[in-house]
Amino acid sequence: KQEVTQIPAALSVPEGENLVLNCSFTDSAIYNLQWFRQDPGKGLTSLLLIQSSQREQTSGRLNASLDKSSGRSTLYIAASQPGDSATYLCALWIKAAGNKLTFGGGTRVLVKP
Amino acid sequence: NAGVTQTPKFQVLKTGQSMTLQCAQDMNHEYMSWYRQDPGMGLRLIHYSVGAGITDQGEVPNGYNVSRSTTEDFPLRLLSAAPSQTSVYFCASKLFGTVESTDTQYFGPGTRLTVL
Repeated sequence: KQEVTQIPAALSVPEGENLVLNCSFTDSAIYNLQWFRQDPGKGLTSLLLIQSSQREQTSGRLNASLDKSSGRSTLYIAASQPGDSATYLCALWIKAAGNKLTFGGGTRVLVKP
Repeated sequence: NAGVTQTPKFQVLKTGQSMTLQCAQDMNHEYMSWYRQDPGMGLRLIHYSVGAGITDQGEVPNGYNVSRSTTEDFPLRLLSAAPSQTSVYFCASKLFGTVESTDTQYFGPGTRLTVL
């Protein structure tokens, strides 16, 4: 069974520091990988989607990389701000799982002013 | 576009009661799905649909029914509520129903359900 792991489960950084969030997976046969943000009591907001054929995607201060051979994706958030405090989840469309999105457990981020 | 909408936002049920969680999207998306989110368990897929008239089971389908009579709506029915169904429920949709499609999945705001 495909495992999607996000370590650490929680992270606290001072404002201005760069954030590095990790997502690892055991099956490299994927269609794409998506990073989401979830604020407390809210739904999920899509941040970036990386297709299987891509190595990275960028949007503003966010950059996500994908290395299928090592089963890893990393979300970088440059110059963190208190407004970046949220839970970040990665999710994969895995070929073996069929038409279903598989989520990691998430990393809860706190950016201190 | 209103995106993905869910009603109600909060609901309290007694054990054994039935109810329907509503989900609608106005983006003409083929794929719709229901997840539940529990502390320590993450997001788990309950049921999904790749188009009107087509539904399939996810990871945790027991105790739930779905139907997809229109492209826009995908209601989730709890047949006989149990305390184990206390959770936050999210509906999501994406444009294409095919698994190979590389489009973004959009989530609704969620329904917080408590079963006493």
